[in-house]
Amino acid sequence: KNEVEQSPQNLTAQEGEFITINCSYSVGISALHWLQQHPGGGIVSLFMLSSGKKKHGRLIATINIQEKHSSLHITASHPRDSAVYICAVPSGGGADGLTFGKGTHLIIQP
Amino acid sequence: DARVTQTPRHKVTEMGQEVTMRCQPILGHNTVFWYRQTMMQGLELLAYFRNRAPLDDSGMPKDRFSAEMPDATLATLKIQPSEPRDSAVYFCASGLAFLLNPYNEQFFGPGTRLTVL
Repeated sequence: KNEVEQSPQNLTAQEGEFITINCSYSVGISALHWLQQHPGGGIVSLFMLSSGKKKHGRLIATINIQEKHSSLHITASHPRDSAVYICAVPSGGGADGLTFGKGTHLIIQP
Repeated sequence: DARVTQTPRHKVTEMGQEVTMRCQPILGHNTVFWYRQTMMQGLELLAYFRNRAPLDDSGMPKDRFSAEMPDATLATLKIQPSEPRDSAVYFCASGLAFLLNPYNEQFFGPGTRLTVL
């Protein structure tokens, strides 16, 4: 079973700062997911990527398959970016189900 | 606006009672997942289905939990009897998987917050 480590667990930053959240996993994968969980509890899929980089607005996700590592970046952070960001990978053995990191609780202060 | 729906959104019950949670996946999606989220364990996979067939339920306590898909528009997760340690948020997610590309984006429902007293 894949193991997923995220860092940092908690991050507080000022509005406008550049944010980086890291994710490492133990078993080779074909795709990695970044999810956002709002304070109200809803979970939204931000990215699914298998190589290189993807960008959506101020969010950028990168992955290095050889190093089993991915990063999520937020440029020009805003208080509305405050949420829990969760990295997830396929559980392994051909399963579609996901194994999740513990999440990074991000707070952006005005 | 296609989305995954779950009912009920909140459920409070007493230990020993049966609990049934329902999920309507996005129309056309062929995979359905049940996840559980607790403060201690975070998000965990309980079970998932592809084309209504159960593919993996290894994350589910078999003695009290059961998951079914009676038809393509309904997935159910049942706990009988419920215990206080089952208190958690239960999420359903759906996606579209192909034989050569099983790993696709998953769309999450709003969750069912279960409290077992």
